Amino acid sequence: GAGVSQSPSNKVTEKGKDVELRCDPISGHTALYWYRQSLGQGLEFLIYFQGNSAPDKSGLPSDRFSAERTGGSVSTLTIQRTQQEDSAVYLCASSPRTGVNNSPLHFGNGTRLTVT
Amino acid sequence: EDQVTQSPEALRLQEGESSSLNCSYTVSGLRGLFWYRQDPGKGPEFLFTLYSAGEEKEKERLKATLTKKESFLHITAPKPEDSATYLCAVQGQAGTALIFGKGTTLSVSS
Repeated sequence: GAGVSQSPSNKVTEKGKDVELRCDPISGHTALYWYRQSLGQGLEFLIYFQGNSAPDKSGLPSDRFSAERTGGSVSTLTIQRTQQEDSAVYLCASSPRTGVNNSPLHFGNGTRLTVT
Repeated sequence: EDQVTQSPEALRLQEGESSSLNCSYTVSGLRGLFWYRQDPGKGPEFLFTLYSAGEEKEKERLKATLTKKESFLHITAPKPEDSATYLCAVQGQAGTALIFGKGTTLSVSS
């Protein structure tokens, strides 16, 4: 079916506001990842979900960042009190299962966040 | 700490001019090395997975090879539509996440 879907595709917000970014993974994919891509930088891992649980949150940069996943499907990344350094493209990826042998990550097209 | 370094940062080729992109890595127990292609405004698109030294994979004009310390993405007789950023990533035994390099931006002119 459809690929990974992210919304919104673009978000402009004022410094200090909260934002929510949404990811709809490929149906049946149990593993879900959030990455951040800043200009001139590589993809930076944020958090990984297996089902609804997040066994690896090691990449979340601060306690202003949180994420949840419900029903083993849709995930929401929330950034509270946004700062200008949060401006980046936030990418979501899913795969059929954890452990990537024969299970590459399938990426969405990302949400471009601009904090003014 | 797992690390991936890609070179060059940017590469400009004429159509038909073959070349190679390099991905050097350090990882504690390689579970897989991945190549992705990323077009402007799009998410990365999966190309190849390599698991062990000596392995090679091909797709159209692209061929990926792997040694114990690096991987090469060879581009044979490139076309303008091959212009994109090519990303390399590794997964080690310790973690679940892929660790990405910063990418090589390839421009192919006709």
